[in-house]
Amino acid sequence: GQQLNQSPQSMFIQEGEDVSMNCTSSSIFNTWLWYKQEPGEGPVLLIALYKAGELTSNGRLTAQFGITRKDSFLNISASIPSDVGIYFCAGPYSGGSNYKLTFGKGTLLTVNP
Amino acid sequence: DVKVTQSSRYLVKRTGEKVFLECVQDMDHENMFWYRQDPGLGLRLIYFSYDVKMKEKGDIPEGYSVSREKKERFSLILESASTNQTSMYLCASAYLGQIYEQYFGPGTRLTVT
Repeated sequence: GQQLNQSPQSMFIQEGEDVSMNCTSSSIFNTWLWYKQEPGEGPVLLIALYKAGELTSNGRLTAQFGITRKDSFLNISASIPSDVGIYFCAGPYSGGSNYKLTFGKGTLLTVNP
Repeated sequence: DVKVTQSSRYLVKRTGEKVFLECVQDMDHENMFWYRQDPGLGLRLIYFSYDVKMKEKGDIPEGYSVSREKKERFSLILESASTNQTSMYLCASAYLGQIYEQYFGPGTRLTVT
């Protein structure tokens, strides 16, 4: 089946540092999404990407749709303690159903003040 | 702001009980979803509904059923709860034309003893 591989699995950084994480797929995606989940809450949509090569920002967050359409990257600049959480990439399932999302396993981010 | 609410944050039920999890969204979204989230397995789709009384099975529908009698409300039913259904259950909703941009509720952590 289709899989999304996220790396790194976890990160421990100091407040103020920049963060980079990525997501790769075994198949081509036409849409990439990035979600953040804080402890005890549901995921929140951060950024949606619809075009290969697209670079989209949301505040201190920037995400890119890889040109090969098999990867995507999320960068967080000048991290703050409230950036703590699990970051998930997601993309449409290519198995025939046009409503299913495949989610990566997530990158756990810890920010030390 | 889109708001997706779930009836309970925490629930403890006994094996064999019938369990109802309720989800309500206030943005007139056509699409609604039920996921479960387990460590190491990520988010997995249980059921999807694209309209009132319409439903599609997700990846793991066994042991579950759903009901959508009104557009804003999507219920997940565990017919006879089992311990392997102990999990975090997440409801989500999305517009018809933006099905991948899903808005999640806070989740219900269900424990079956």
